[in-house]
Amino acid sequence: QQQVKQSPQSLIVQKGGISIINCAYENTAFDYFPWYQQFPGKGPALLIAIRPDVSEKKEGRFTISFNKSAKQFSLHIMDSQPGDSATYFCAASTTGNQFYFGTGTSLTVIP
Amino acid sequence: EAGVTQSPTHLIKTRGQQATLRCSPISGHTSVYWYQQALGLGLQFLLWYDEGEERNRGNFPPRFSGRQFPNYSSELNVNALELEDSALYLCASSLDRGNQPQHFGDGTRLSIL
Repeated sequence: QQQVKQSPQSLIVQKGGISIINCAYENTAFDYFPWYQQFPGKGPALLIAIRPDVSEKKEGRFTISFNKSAKQFSLHIMDSQPGDSATYFCAASTTGNQFYFGTGTSLTVIP
Repeated sequence: EAGVTQSPTHLIKTRGQQATLRCSPISGHTSVYWYQQALGLGLQFLLWYDEGEERNRGNFPPRFSGRQFPNYSSELNVNALELEDSALYLCASSLDRGNQPQHFGDGTRLSIL
């Protein structure tokens, strides 16, 4: 059973556009929601994370929107750049540190 | 600050052999996690160690095992290797303070011939 469902599987965006990746979860005990960015040949790197006491968190061009009632959260990449082309993973965890990852979204930003 | 380091970078084995993968966490991190990332798939949780103890394991057969040493480094052992074990094995570390971010190494690419 997939604890965190991520969509889309792949995404192609023009340079300067907005990339949006969505994740949904069922377990209301989750209280930490990070996003990771992975380039080919590298391990995932923490990009941005949010806790359920806020509805939005912004760091530079990256924003997490969190909807607790809908049990959904999303990553928005503003002014997408070719260097943002990577695979993005959402995750969710409980206080016990068990992380559940989404299946990943391959983002391609076309120059 | 040095990141999570994994060795070897690549490992080639044949069916039935045993593989040992190593991980050194970030200094000060006591929790170590192992994940399997098969081609085109997400991260599948394997094992979690903290303070030398196994805290949790994912849905993998017992031939996947590991341990954590007193210096918090960790080892993943895979016995009786099968072709489908070919994957990138990622190690992550974190502080054990509840919901701390996990920081990943660049993985060991295990190929089974």
